[in-house]
Amino acid sequence: NAGVTQTPKFRILKIGQSMTLQCTQDMNHNYMYWYRQDPGMGLKLIYYSVGAGITDKGEVPNGYNVSRSTTEDFPLRLELAAPSQTSVYFCASSYSNRLTDTYEQYFGPGTRLTVT
Amino acid sequence: AQKVTQAQTEISVVEKEDVTLDCVYETRDTTYYLFWYKQPPSGELVFLIRRNSFDEQNEISGRYSWNFQKSTSSFNFTITASQVVDSAVYFCALSANYGGSQGNLIFGKGTKLSVKP
Repeated sequence: NAGVTQTPKFRILKIGQSMTLQCTQDMNHNYMYWYRQDPGMGLKLIYYSVGAGITDKGEVPNGYNVSRSTTEDFPLRLELAAPSQTSVYFCASSYSNRLTDTYEQYFGPGTRLTVT
Repeated sequence: AQKVTQAQTEISVVEKEDVTLDCVYETRDTTYYLFWYKQPPSGELVFLIRRNSFDEQNEISGRYSWNFQKSTSSFNFTITASQVVDSAVYFCALSANYGGSQGNLIFGKGTKLSVKP
């Protein structure tokens, strides 16, 4: 099991460029998440998905888009990159029984993005 | 509103000392979960523990122990006989009923623990 994998590990973008951060999990988890972590801060939720074809906004969705066409993949798209999007991005996945139980999230290694 | 507060930004101890990391949370939900994650200098996030709101028993796992007290809305983490390898940022998190999804987490800002030899 590779767990949650993310590519690329590092990227430098110029202002106004676009890119897609890739995320794949092989644990057959139904829930997937994207977070950003700014220096000295905790993680903030950008988007999440409760299953293939279903996505929803988190706390800080502006400037990002997601799609979930398969259980395994959950790419994050940045359109018109801005310096405020300089951050470390983490993808995560978890199992859910769709009741009230909440299970631990497993995180990818992160993508360090710099926008200049 | 749901919130997690980790008031200790940084803690520095000498190896073999015991250290407690504080976590205070706010939620109106009666069913919720609390988590601790470790982020070593390499940057990945490592899951440590999950606790539901109905289980107030303390938990011990090796040198790690957790004290959950609903009366004070706290979920504190103690490392006994700390080691240099414990140096990391530790995050406390609370499950949030966000948009109808129980799975989303609200993270505290983290406590950076430095263990010196």
